[in-house]
Amino acid sequence: SQQGEEDPQALSIQEGENATMNCSYKTSINNLQWYRQNSGRGLVHLILIRSNEREKHSGRLRVTLDTSKKSSSLLITASRAADTASYFCATDALLGGGTSYGKLTFGQGTILTVHP
Amino acid sequence: KAGVTQTPRYLIKTRGQQVTLSCSPISGHRSVSWYQQTPGQGLQFLFEYFSETQRNKGNFPGRFSGRQFSNSRSEMNVSTLELGDSALYLCASSRDLAGAGAYEQYFGPGTRLTVT
Repeated sequence: SQQGEEDPQALSIQEGENATMNCSYKTSINNLQWYRQNSGRGLVHLILIRSNEREKHSGRLRVTLDTSKKSSSLLITASRAADTASYFCATDALLGGGTSYGKLTFGQGTILTVHP
Repeated sequence: KAGVTQTPRYLIKTRGQQVTLSCSPISGHRSVSWYQQTPGQGLQFLFEYFSETQRNKGNFPGRFSGRQFSNSRSEMNVSTLELGDSALYLCASSRDLAGAGAYEQYFGPGTRLTVT
């Protein structure tokens, strides 16, 4: 079963615009990770944010985490056509106070299309 | 460092057959997780191995099994294949040196299994 939902399901923008994707989840977590997937290939790890962090940056990526609302957002600034892909959030859930040992629970993903 | 490799990349099997998929993690990574990705169910966790021990298992029937070798390479096996087993099978490795979980997972390109 999916941990949460991603919003929007699809996003279409022009090159140079910013793209924001949101993720909600259901349980307490150790961390939340964002991945990118191009055309049914393997997932590329983008960024990991731990439960005690509120914001993290990596290049053109900015991730926020609000554990009180059980939500996260991924912002891609100055989008490029090469950013066209599906983006997934994945949570490492807290179980009995510990980690879920290698189990990431994924959202359904946001399909981002960046038009040149 | 070489990334996660999976073999074979594509596979076509007939209902009732069995299949074995292989995954070689990033050098030094001891945790290997397996996921199934389908259009209907999305990305779902199958199982995770660390130091040759299965630490976590998802909600899949017993036809799905796996193992890990002393060099951290992992295999998964699906017996008595069904049409619904057609999917992209992804493995991911994590550096999880202390066995505590909660690290980034790095994915391989996947094995596309088609069952006819």
